[in-house]
Amino acid sequence: KAGVTQTPRYLIKTRGQQVTLSCSPISGHRSVSWYQQTPGQGLQFLFEYFSETQRNKGNFPGRFSGRQFSNSRSEMNVSTLELGDSALYLCASSSAIGGTYEQYFGPGTRLTVT
Amino acid sequence: SQQGEEDPQALSIQEGENATMNCSYKTSINNLQWYRQNSGRGLVHLILIRSNEREKHSGRLRVTLDTSKKSSSLLITASRAADTASYFCAPQNSNYQLIWGAGTKLIIKP
Repeated sequence: KAGVTQTPRYLIKTRGQQVTLSCSPISGHRSVSWYQQTPGQGLQFLFEYFSETQRNKGNFPGRFSGRQFSNSRSEMNVSTLELGDSALYLCASSSAIGGTYEQYFGPGTRLTVT
Repeated sequence: SQQGEEDPQALSIQEGENATMNCSYKTSINNLQWYRQNSGRGLVHLILIRSNEREKHSGRLRVTLDTSKKSSSLLITASRAADTASYFCAPQNSNYQLIWGAGTKLIIKP
């Protein structure tokens, strides 16, 4: 079974721009969660999608949004980028919602905002 | 804060020794999961223990859960260089959300 894939792996953007990150979950998984990780920090939960519906959301501003398609692939978008948005963005897929079972993580997209 | 909190923040031991990491949390939980993150393999699930379980084993890993104290521990026996990584606990709260701490950075010295 192929693992979770994320594209792109690295991204450099300028403050004020917007960015879209993509995540393809493991085949058959309907839950996709997104996390932000900054150096030395744990994972900050952004949101979770299950069967195309956002079912949980973390404490991030509205500049962070996401969606899930019928094939379970998910995208997250960050508008009006700020320097503080520089981070590793991880997506995780699971067969059930919100940590009921183990989550499988992708390699992440490292976003640098200059 | 509803974070899982790992303790210690960093741990350095000799290869072959045992490593123990602790996790505390604040809310009632359905389960608690441990993950490992290193540069080579990314973030990987290690073990899941449900709220009605007290202890679970997987290879060289032993996890305990004390719901009355809202705490868990991860024991790695006979450590190896490949165990060098950051370890995270993630309790699942009643809202079906994993709550992550900042992790314990484990260094295994040869």
